[in-house]
Amino acid sequence: GIQVEQSPPDLILQEGANSTLRCNFSDSVNNLQWFHQNPWGQLINLFYIPSGTKQNGRLSATTVATERYSLLYISSSQTTDSGVYFCAVERNQGAQKLVFGQGTRLTINP
Amino acid sequence: KAGVTQTPRYLIKTRGQQVTLSCSPISGHRSVSWYQQTPGQGLQFLFEYFSETQRNKGNFPGRFSGRQFSNSRSEMNVSTLELGDSALYLCASSLQAIGEQFFGPGTRLTVL
Repeated sequence: GIQVEQSPPDLILQEGANSTLRCNFSDSVNNLQWFHQNPWGQLINLFYIPSGTKQNGRLSATTVATERYSLLYISSSQTTDSGVYFCAVERNQGAQKLVFGQGTRLTINP
Repeated sequence: KAGVTQTPRYLIKTRGQQVTLSCSPISGHRSVSWYQQTPGQGLQFLFEYFSETQRNKGNFPGRFSGRQFSNSRSEMNVSTLELGDSALYLCASSLQAIGEQFFGPGTRLTVL
């Protein structure tokens, strides 16, 4: 099946810093989503981005489908950005719905 | 528009019991998927239902089953609970079979 790898696994930054999270996937996909998991466990949608670039406030994402990777950028980090960020992909064929990476745990210190 | 809702939010069961979890998708969404999250295995796909039919199934034993009703609400059932079934169970819905998925708050199951 398709493999999804996220890097780095852990990232510790000071408030105000910028960060880049990476997601590599092993095959072509129809869907790629970025999520932020809140402290209560709910996955919050950040981007639905099978290809191209999108921006939402301090967050932006780019997916280069031909090279099988996606990047999530967080600028001017705030302590509320802390948490685990997941990338997930979906293929039309195959038995899996969304296949998740292992996540990047981001800690923003004041 | 209301989001995906899941009930109950927390459950404590003992080994050997069975449990039923419920998921109500966003109004108009026809696809419902279930995922299990554990510290060791991460987020894993359980199954997907679309228009009352199971469309996909992940690599889980037959003790895990589900169904979808005509109003798109879905239930999943776990029989003969094991300690390893302790997990956060997440439900997601999407408008069509392929497309952006939206997750509910999850049901945290503890098996003692």
